[in-house]
Amino acid sequence: GIQVEQSPPDLILQEGANSTLRCNFSDSVNNLQWFHQNPWGQLINLFYIPSGTKQNGRLSATTVATERYSLLYISSSQTTDSGVYFCAPENQAGTALIFGKGTTLSVSS
Amino acid sequence: GAVVSQHPSWVICKSGTSVKIECRSLDFQATTMFWYRQFPKQSLMLMATSNEGSKATYEQGVEKDKFLINHASLTLSTLTVTSAHPEDSSFYICSARDQRAGNSYEQYFGPGTRLTVT
Repeated sequence: GIQVEQSPPDLILQEGANSTLRCNFSDSVNNLQWFHQNPWGQLINLFYIPSGTKQNGRLSATTVATERYSLLYISSSQTTDSGVYFCAPENQAGTALIFGKGTTLSVSS
Repeated sequence: GAVVSQHPSWVICKSGTSVKIECRSLDFQATTMFWYRQFPKQSLMLMATSNEGSKATYEQGVEKDKFLINHASLTLSTLTVTSAHPEDSSFYICSARDQRAGNSYEQYFGPGTRLTVT
């Protein structure tokens, strides 16, 4: 099955800093989603991005499907951005998301 | 937007009893729902895929007789943990695929159910 590797595993930032989270995956995918898991465990949809670039406020994401990676950019980070960020490409059968181990982000004021 | 609910949010049960967790898609119909399990500070592991009107598909290593899944309608899937043991304590999360015409088949997640077996 698809292997998903996220980096860095942990990231500590001061409020206002920018960051880039990376997701590498081992095989071609048709779909990929980025999520933010808040401290209560809720997974919040950030991007559905099988290819190309999308932006939503301070967040943007780019997926280069041919090179099997996706990037999540967070600009001007805020304390509320803290939590775990997961990348999840869809399996080759197109039936389920396969989650990476996540990047734990801590933003301090 | 697409909203998925789960009930209960948390449950404590005694070893040997069964627990049912409900997952509902509130504003869309979902022919396919998914059940995941998450241990503390770990990633989400897919347990099974729930298909409306047919049997669930379980991932390798997941006991189908222990984790009973029923997807009886287009908005409801249930996971029953039978004869629960302390090692079944975990955070269980469901998701549903939004397959409405024109949408991207994006998955949306419920808030999760924290199960503690004593």
